[in-house]
Amino acid sequence: NAGVMQNPRHLVRRRGQEARLRCSPMKGHSHVYWYRQLPEEGLKFMVYLQKENIIDESGMPKERFSAEFPKEGPSILRIQQVVRGDSAAYFCASSRSTGNTGELFFGEGSRLTVL
Amino acid sequence: QQPVQSPQAVILREGEDAVINCSSSKALYSVHWYRQKHGEAPVFLMILLKGGEQKGHEKISASFNEKKQQSSLYLTASQLSYSGTYFCGTQTQGGSEKLVFGKGTKLTVNP
Repeated sequence: NAGVMQNPRHLVRRRGQEARLRCSPMKGHSHVYWYRQLPEEGLKFMVYLQKENIIDESGMPKERFSAEFPKEGPSILRIQQVVRGDSAAYFCASSRSTGNTGELFFGEGSRLTVL
Repeated sequence: QQPVQSPQAVILREGEDAVINCSSSKALYSVHWYRQKHGEAPVFLMILLKGGEQKGHEKISASFNEKKQQSSLYLTASQLSYSGTYFCGTQTQGGSEKLVFGKGTKLTVNP
């Protein structure tokens, strides 16, 4: 059973470009969470999605950031017009659809570097 | 509200014990513990639900004091493989509610 798959693992962008990060949850999981982690810091919640719905986006910056989880395909975190402060590791996690105990399964992360 | 973890860092020799604390200003439904090694994904250790349950995982156990809104992670007879950063994550309602993580406690186990 494949784990949570994230790609790309590493992404380099210049200021003003767009970054797209993808996340495929574990089989049987329909809840996806995105977290951002800066060096030597904790995991900061960004957004929680279910298929075709954003459930909680209280951690998302109001501008330039968006997320989706379409009926088919991976969840995508999109950052438009990136700035140096967006450089971070972005982790996706998924949880079970039924019998959810809240346990999260994390992907390996996507490390964004903005030049 | 982000839970507060203490200490921020711990250095141990192999075989020594450690306690990591996590406290919240809000009433909690559950506390989750994860370990993250450098450059890797956080890995689930255990969940504690309100009711003061104590759970175990290998030589790692934890408690949850619902009244004090605190959880403690106990690492006994530490091994080199225990090195990493430990995060507690909290929920106030449970289920699929997001986890809010503390800033982490960096544990280093030396030979």
